Amino acid sequence: GENVEQHPSTLSVQEGDSAVIKCTYSDSASNYFPWYKQELGKRPQLIIDIRSNVGEKKDQRIAVTLNKTAKHFSLHITETQPEDSAVYFCAASENTGGFKTIFGAGTRLFVKA
Amino acid sequence: SQTIHQWPATLVQPVGSPLSLECTVEGTSNPNLYWYRQAAGRGLQLLFYSVGIGQISSEVPQNLSASRPQDRQFILSSKKLLLSDSGFYLCAWSQTSGNEQFFGPGTRLTVL
Repeated sequence: GENVEQHPSTLSVQEGDSAVIKCTYSDSASNYFPWYKQELGKRPQLIIDIRSNVGEKKDQRIAVTLNKTAKHFSLHITETQPEDSAVYFCAASENTGGFKTIFGAGTRLFVKA
Repeated sequence: SQTIHQWPATLVQPVGSPLSLECTVEGTSNPNLYWYRQAAGRGLQLLFYSVGIGQISSEVPQNLSASRPQDRQFILSSKKLLLSDSGFYLCAWSQTSGNEQFFGPGTRLTVL
């Protein structure tokens, strides 16, 4: 089955710097890669996603890149702000015939003011 | 608009007691439904998913079970809780596979 590895487990950056979180997946059938943000004590919420037919997607200060050959994808946050502090989860799933979304272990991001 | 409800919000149960957590979705029909467990400071572990009434797939062996008696109702149960069952239980739904999942507010379960 699918296995998703996420690094680093903890990331501390200065406000205004960039943050990069990396994930790898094992199942070449996976073709949908969402990223969720979970603030302390709250539910995870989708912040950006990418499908396997594109290599990069950007939404304001966040972007995601996907390398299907290497089976890895990354989240990039630019100009970080204290409110970006949260746990970020990557995930991988199939959108044809498969119904499972497998999550990475999460990255706790601290943005220091 | 769609909403997802979970209850109870918090629960403290003794070891060996039964468990029933409920999740309901409003504003959509035939959703995919999911149960996840999140241990303290850990990731999201998929426990069960369902693509329709009475259809349950289990991801990990455990003493938990799930049922879907109605289209928009998903129940997580146990006959006898273990200490290791403590955690934050999240229900989620999606329109189809490979699309955004919307999470419920979660139930924080403590087994003593």
